[in-house]
Amino acid sequence: EIVMTQSPATLSVSPGERATLSCRASQSVSSNLAWYQQKPGQAPRLLIYGASTRATGIPARFSGSGSGTEFTLTISSLQSEDFAVYYCQQYNNWPYSFGQGTKLEIK
Amino acid sequence: EVQLVESGGGLVQPGRSLRLSCTASGFTFGDYAMSWVRQAPGKGLEWVGFIRSKAYGGTTEYAASVKGRFTISRDDSKSIAYLQMNSLKTEDTAVYYCTTSQLVNGYYYMDVWGKGTTVTVSS
Repeated sequence: EIVMTQSPATLSVSPGERATLSCRASQSVSSNLAWYQQKPGQAPRLLIYGASTRATGIPARFSGSGSGTEFTLTISSLQSEDFAVYYCQQYNNWPYSFGQGTKLEIK
Repeated sequence: EVQLVESGGGLVQPGRSLRLSCTASGFTFGDYAMSWVRQAPGKGLEWVGFIRSKAYGGTTEYAASVKGRFTISRDDSKSIAYLQMNSLKTEDTAVYYCTTSQLVNGYYYMDVWGKGTTVTVSS
């Protein structure tokens, strides 16, 4: 099973600033990596797939990069609605696996 | 509008069974693979299982933690995916989400998510 490790566990950033979230896979997942956003009491929402392709309706301030084992989600200018938990997930190999999440909180 | 609605959750005793349903609307259900993901209280997301569309054999994949106990099936005539859960354990307590799975370049990513249904396994 591929283990996904996200860092940091919690990230404190001020509105308007840039946030950079990291995700590492225990073995190569090529570009088969997705990012999800989850707010309290809500279902996760797909942000990025294919490591760098924004899902429908996702603002351009969200961008993804990386391939192989190292991936990054960048939010260029944080809005109030962006404070949430973010998960990466590999879909290159069965069983699929998620990272443990990064909580993005207001500084 | 694409919509997924999970149902069938509730309180169940350890060792018993429960069947969850995921009713889809707004798209041609039979053309899509479907997945189930769960989230234990206060924890992260855990992938549970997957079913391909009939065009790709309708075959399934499962997480090790549920393999042999859980079964995913689908009824394309009703636009419903099912998660049959047998021999339930307290650690199966979670919110269960169903998702559509999009096929791109031979790989499936999870796209639209339902709001989830809560399963509590307790005596």
